[in-house]
Amino acid sequence: RKEVEQDPGPFNVPEGATVAFNCTYSNSASQSFFWYRQDCRKEPKLLMSVYSSGNEDGRFTAQLNRASQYISLLIRDSKLSDSATYLCVVYAGGTSYGKLTFGQGTILTVHP
Amino acid sequence: DGGITQSPKYLFRKEGQNVTLSCEQNLNHDAMYWYRQDPGQGLRLIYYSQIVNDFQKGDIAEGYSVSREKKESFPLTVTSAQKNPTAFYLCASSNPRPNGYTFGSGTRLTVV
Repeated sequence: RKEVEQDPGPFNVPEGATVAFNCTYSNSASQSFFWYRQDCRKEPKLLMSVYSSGNEDGRFTAQLNRASQYISLLIRDSKLSDSATYLCVVYAGGTSYGKLTFGQGTILTVHP
Repeated sequence: DGGITQSPKYLFRKEGQNVTLSCEQNLNHDAMYWYRQDPGQGLRLIYYSQIVNDFQKGDIAEGYSVSREKKESFPLTVTSAQKNPTAFYLCASSNPRPNGYTFGSGTRLTVV
């Protein structure tokens, strides 16, 4: 089983749609969680951290369920500029000191 | 402005050649990382370093070597032993308890 698993998609949605991505992780001791965005042929960039209580940043809402080892990202009112690959990222801590583990990414295409 | 600089942006390697990818950061981060990304796949960790003169193998270290002689620099050598080196290589840095990584803009290596 992969340490971090995502539905690779692709997700094709019209502008204005709401779309949700899911991610599961295998290490129950994982400490920190992130969503990254990667544009085509570019480096990943941090979109938002994910907190246990859930957190929101504009149109983006992240949720964490530690009991189910599940992370989600909700994008409301999708824009064309949201088209990208979204990476679920986990920090396990402990012997993985400093090391982040990346999911394979979920591709989102927003069309007019 | 602080950041990570990777060079070159594009690199072509002949079969049997060793090549070195440069990564320099001025963020005063202790930890640095090298990841490889293949098309349609997530990031896989090659090597990482938490302090100067120390580094650890990641998940796919075979055919690669690194050094960490200075805090700012973490070069990656792709040796002739790496059988399938064509990929997008990303360097990143972080503090020991990462609140996300800062990535360089990547190097695309192609074997010709």
